[in-house]
Amino acid sequence: AQSVTQLDSHVSVSEGTPVLLRCNYSSSYSPSLFWYVQHPNKGLQLLLKYTSAATLVKGINGFEAEFKKSETSFHLTKPSAHMSDAAEYFCVVRLGGQFYFGTGTSLTVIP
Amino acid sequence: GAGVSQTPSNKVTEKGKYVELRCDPISGHTALYWYRQSLGQGPEFLIYFQGTGAADDSGLPNDRFFAVRPEGSVSTLKIQRTERGDSAVYLCASSSPGQNNEQFFGPGTRLTVL
Repeated sequence: AQSVTQLDSHVSVSEGTPVLLRCNYSSSYSPSLFWYVQHPNKGLQLLLKYTSAATLVKGINGFEAEFKKSETSFHLTKPSAHMSDAAEYFCVVRLGGQFYFGTGTSLTVIP
Repeated sequence: GAGVSQTPSNKVTEKGKYVELRCDPISGHTALYWYRQSLGQGPEFLIYFQGTGAADDSGLPNDRFFAVRPEGSVSTLKIQRTERGDSAVYLCASSSPGQNNEQFFGPGTRLTVL
């Protein structure tokens, strides 16, 4: 069974407009959730993580995500896209000792 | 060390050869993970160690793949009789104990099988 689903494989936005990358998870209890970013030819970098302390999580580079248990979602947002945000984004759920990756969303930022 | 390191950064080999990929996790991290990432894909789980033992090796594709972590720190991923389909970036990550702790990733080893 798929533990995490990223609904969009590609998202394209204009520079300066909002970003929304969608993620839904499946778990019988509240998991730990993460968003990672991977720039071309670079390693995976943690953007933010949800660990049940607060449902709205702020990360690096102006990104944030909101945990919504009723919707089993953990969507990633940013108010204003920057050219440097163009990258691949992965939603990850931790269940027990295992980390499950979504299939990724490729973000393109149009100047 | 400051982060997870992996060696070599690039490995080119011929079909049928044996290769070893090394991962040095962050000191004190008890959990270590191996993933494989093919071009345009997300990381695919291979194996996860908790200490010296493999807690979950269900992601290893077949018996040509094997990994060890004899002293609970450095890990080696071993691939026998390599095939062209094994070409990918092999990622290692480590994590400290605790449900809420994230993984820290190494830069990866790019394996090319000719």
